Amino acid sequence: DAKTTQPNSMESNEEEPVHLPCNHSTISGTDYIHWYRQLPSQGPEYVIHGLTSNVNNRMASLAIAEDRKSSTLILHRATLRDAAVYYCILRGGADGLTFGKGTHLIIQP
Amino acid sequence: KAGVTQTPRYLIKTRGQQVTLSCSPISGHRSVSWYQQTPGQGLQFLFEYFSETQRNKGNFPGRFSGRQFSNSRSEMNVSTLELGDSALYLCASGSTGRFGYTFGSGTRLTVV
Repeated sequence: DAKTTQPNSMESNEEEPVHLPCNHSTISGTDYIHWYRQLPSQGPEYVIHGLTSNVNNRMASLAIAEDRKSSTLILHRATLRDAAVYYCILRGGADGLTFGKGTHLIIQP
Repeated sequence: KAGVTQTPRYLIKTRGQQVTLSCSPISGHRSVSWYQQTPGQGLQFLFEYFSETQRNKGNFPGRFSGRQFSNSRSEMNVSTLELGDSALYLCASGSTGRFGYTFGSGTRLTVV
């Protein structure tokens, strides 16, 4: 699986938007970009995924660069419940997920 | 609909023993994968099953094995337990290859 690079941690204020970056310069044409998050003491939770176009769902938006070498997960209005580790993962086929270290998101009240 | 169910939630075993963990996927999901999470190594992929066949395997010793039954329920087994096997073991189920997995809450295994 191609590798992803994310900042170790980010901090944001409650009720403000959060932009979580992910670099994946070796992405292949068939790799989907997936985002998961893990809240304390819970299993990972699927957030969103995309291939080429930007995607929106009830949890977040995913903005994918035109060359697909980077992407950004956008939480439009962060709450304290969004404090978690966020993982950006490339998925090329029907195989397991390769988790990196992720970004530890801290939300300040 | 019911989520992914893992049993037991907590387990304490002695070095050298073996352990079996169980995972019931979301109804209709045919893919089940297993992960190990430790503070030092993070989340690591163990193996994935689809329709009772192991499709992929991570870089773990042969002491780690699994299987999937015709109803998609899965078990993983660890033989000859070592202290380093202490971890949170997570199961995830999915319906098709490229889309999201749903994870269970995990089984916390402590080896003493």
